[in-house]
Amino acid sequence: EAGVVQSPRYKIIEKKQPVAFWCNPISGHNTLYWYLQNLGQGPELLIRYENEEAVDDSQLPKDRFSAERLKGVDSTLKIQPAELGDSAVYLCASSRGGQDTGELFFGEGSRLTVL
Amino acid sequence: GNSVTQMEGPVTLSEEAFLTINCTYTATGYPSLFWYVQYPGEGLQLLLKATKADDKGSNKGFEATYRKETTSFHLEKGSVQVSDSAVYFCALRNTNAGKSTFGDGTTLTVKP
Repeated sequence: EAGVVQSPRYKIIEKKQPVAFWCNPISGHNTLYWYLQNLGQGPELLIRYENEEAVDDSQLPKDRFSAERLKGVDSTLKIQPAELGDSAVYLCASSRGGQDTGELFFGEGSRLTVL
Repeated sequence: GNSVTQMEGPVTLSEEAFLTINCTYTATGYPSLFWYVQYPGEGLQLLLKATKADDKGSNKGFEATYRKETTSFHLEKGSVQVSDSAVYFCALRNTNAGKSTFGDGTTLTVKP
């Protein structure tokens, strides 16, 4: 089966510009996650979707970050405006959801550099 | 809240050496425990997991045992290879919460 697909892999922008990341999860996976990974650190959850519903967005900085998952499949994470401190890798992951084993399937990530 | 503490890296070993990467956790209830691996240029992928106390997860020669009494899930391999060079992440997940918590990762470099 195809894995989790993310794009773009790399993005360089100037501060105050907007940026968007796209994620296509594994087919049939109801749960989708966006994680932030700073250099030398582990992934930190930004938002979790169960189908179309954002069930945990407590760590999403809502003043500049937004996300959507239309039709419960693909998802987009947006930052507007970007700040220097947003430079990081943005990871998308999916899982089957429900009473699953808890394994997450990750994409390769989108590396953002804000100048 | 939940937390995972990993042995600080980086770790550099010679080929065929024994590997241990320590991982301890703090969590409520009975979480599932995981080791993920990230090879250079690739995404994180599951290496092994254990869902209850005293379970041993194993894969590709790696092993880890869920120790509830010491809240630990140390990763071990008897003989590492150059191809094992990667970043290893310990993680836990409370099934009810649906959220995974990760350690900061340990970079392993294996030299021929």
